[in-house]
Amino acid sequence: QVTLKESGPVLVKPTETLTLTCNVSGFSLSNGQLGVSWIRQAPGKAPEWLAHIFSNDGKSFSKSLKSRLTISKDTSKSQVVLIMTLMDPVDTATYYCARMFSTTGFWTHWGQGILVTVSS
Amino acid sequence: DIQLTQSPSTLSASVGDRITITCRASQSISRWLAWYQQKPGKAPNLLITKASSLESGVPSRFSGSGSGTEFTLTINSLQPEDFATYYCQQYSSSFPEYIFGQGTKLEIK
Repeated sequence: QVTLKESGPVLVKPTETLTLTCNVSGFSLSNGQLGVSWIRQAPGKAPEWLAHIFSNDGKSFSKSLKSRLTISKDTSKSQVVLIMTLMDPVDTATYYCARMFSTTGFWTHWGQGILVTVSS
Repeated sequence: DIQLTQSPSTLSASVGDRITITCRASQSISRWLAWYQQKPGKAPNLLITKASSLESGVPSRFSGSGSGTEFTLTINSLQPEDFATYYCQQYSSSFPEYIFGQGTKLEIK
């Protein structure tokens, strides 16, 4: 059974750095056909794709947020990590990790999400 | 940059109705469009890929069509569990980013 689960702080202060971890099970991050994205959704808004890490460790980022984002994976721990710097109240959102098969471009499996609030 | 515009933003319907949601792309994306359903407090759930391919386990009352810049999601004979928010998402390799439409909230009339 494929599962993804996000973890990290639920409250961060403005200007701080957010580090989120996605723990996956039911598949391997070393599988040459699977990649993982981070997607966020502000309250009442549409989802917004942030970053993706491919099976070959290639990465792609949202153009508007690229300068603030880092994505990496630890295959041995079955984890994908997202780092977002310079957090602002407008970054308050539910952050999801989701699995993509190959370069299909859509996500078949999603985590439950973690609501991150940015407030002093 | 490519944009996806869904209409309507909100749709009121009754159980048993047939409804259609439209997603328009600002540039042609061929058939590289997916549809998701999202219920409150839950992650989006993939319904349709490549404009019209139903994901495994999705009821046959859901269908998708379209190509280029105009796409539709149709739900025949609405069931109580279908009341949710629906999003389209483009994944054309011609555009480097994965973009979602702004969503259509399907409400019970």
